[in-house]
Amino acid sequence: EIVMTQSPATLSVSPGERATLSCRASQSVSSNLAWYQQKPGQAPRLLIYDASTRATGIPARFSGSGSGTEFTLTISSLQSEDFAVYYCQQYNNWPTWTFGQGTKVEIK
Amino acid sequence: QVQVVQSGAEVKKPGSSVKVSCKASGGTFSNYGISWVRQVPGQGLEWMGGIIPIFGTPNCAQKFQGRVTITADDSADESTSTAYMELSSLRSEDTAVYYCAAGRYYYGSGSYPHYYMDVWGKGTTVTVSS
Repeated sequence: EIVMTQSPATLSVSPGERATLSCRASQSVSSNLAWYQQKPGQAPRLLIYDASTRATGIPARFSGSGSGTEFTLTISSLQSEDFAVYYCQQYNNWPTWTFGQGTKVEIK
Repeated sequence: QVQVVQSGAEVKKPGSSVKVSCKASGGTFSNYGISWVRQVPGQGLEWMGGIIPIFGTPNCAQKFQGRVTITADDSADESTSTAYMELSSLRSEDTAVYYCAAGRYYYGSGSYPHYYMDVWGKGTTVTVSS
């Protein structure tokens, strides 16, 4: 089973600042990586798929990069609605997918 | 774009089983892969297992093998395009929100399918308590 490790566990950022979240896979997942955002009491929402493609309706301040085992989600200028928990997830290792443990982005 | 509608909250006794459904709305699961994801209160997302209905063979995470059964009805008929997740031998630690999530499957450069989850249900709360 591929293990996905996210860092940091918590990221304290001021509104308007840049946030950089990391995700590492225990073995290559090629570009088959997604990022999700989850707010309290809500289902997760797809932000990024194929490591760098924004999902429909996702603002351009969200960007993803990386391939193989190292991935990054960048939020260029944090808005109040962006404070949430972010998860990476690999969908390369058929037939089992795995999530990272999440990074909480909180207001500094 | 298909949407998914999950069944309602459940309260179960330890040792019993629960079966959660996930029905397609506005389309069918014909070209979709479906995953079941759970979230224990205060914790992260955990992939439990999944199925591509048109293939029929379910898969699950090693942690849940022997306890989870994932099935899907006829994926080509919207009235019956439904996936199910049954979890047996329930214990208090299984108290969680269970999500159904779906995405169109496709083949990349290899011979295995992939799908990311762009459609999520609202979740089904399962409470295990004596």
